[in-house]
Amino acid sequence: DTGVSQDPRHKITKRGQNVTFRCDPISEHNRLYWYRQTLGQGPEFLTYFQNEAQLEKSRLLSDRFSAERPKGSFSTLEIQRTEQGDSAMYLCASSLLGYGVRSSGANVLTFGAGSRLTVL
Amino acid sequence: GENVEQHPSTLSVQEGDSAVIKCTYSDSASNYFPWYKQELGKRPQLIIDIRSNVGEKKDQRIAVTLNKTAKHFSLHITETQPEDSAVYFCAAFGGATNKLIFGTGTLLAVQP
Repeated sequence: DTGVSQDPRHKITKRGQNVTFRCDPISEHNRLYWYRQTLGQGPEFLTYFQNEAQLEKSRLLSDRFSAERPKGSFSTLEIQRTEQGDSAMYLCASSLLGYGVRSSGANVLTFGAGSRLTVL
Repeated sequence: GENVEQHPSTLSVQEGDSAVIKCTYSDSASNYFPWYKQELGKRPQLIIDIRSNVGEKKDQRIAVTLNKTAKHFSLHITETQPEDSAVYFCAAFGGATNKLIFGTGTLLAVQP
């Protein structure tokens, strides 16, 4: 595999419906991140996993959002009862855990193409 | 938590001129500072990065400088070309967090 894959690339849904996005990271990467990006803004951190453990969640991640990485490989991000304010690009990124400033290549995030959500 | 500020928000230059984008960060323990280029509708692509144990790094027409004392870092693009037109994001990683915090982006337009 040559990069981070995300599916679907586009999702249009009606308010109140549930949606699920999938991310397949670079295979040897042990960290996986989810970000959200709206037009004209930088990516905003949502959550990250180290292997299968979810280590941090942003306050942006309301209880309607849940993310999993069951076997430490692919991850899913589910949004329940979608709202129009959830419309955004959901970006996944993966990296290799490293320690210290001399760990060349460590903590370099590679992004997927994103899943664009439109809530009508 | 970490906060990253980026300036300017838009930058227009003539082809062949230089472009400079500046960022400041708040967490003095941050140790990794990448720059991403994002074209319309595309994913952010890493173009250059710097770690806190060096002050400058160069890759062809792109260079990044880091001033740890002042907690700011800058992207320098020389001999700009129309294909350099995109949104550029700076980011900071490390310290008390294990995530990248992004700046708000700079829309660079290179006029032919």
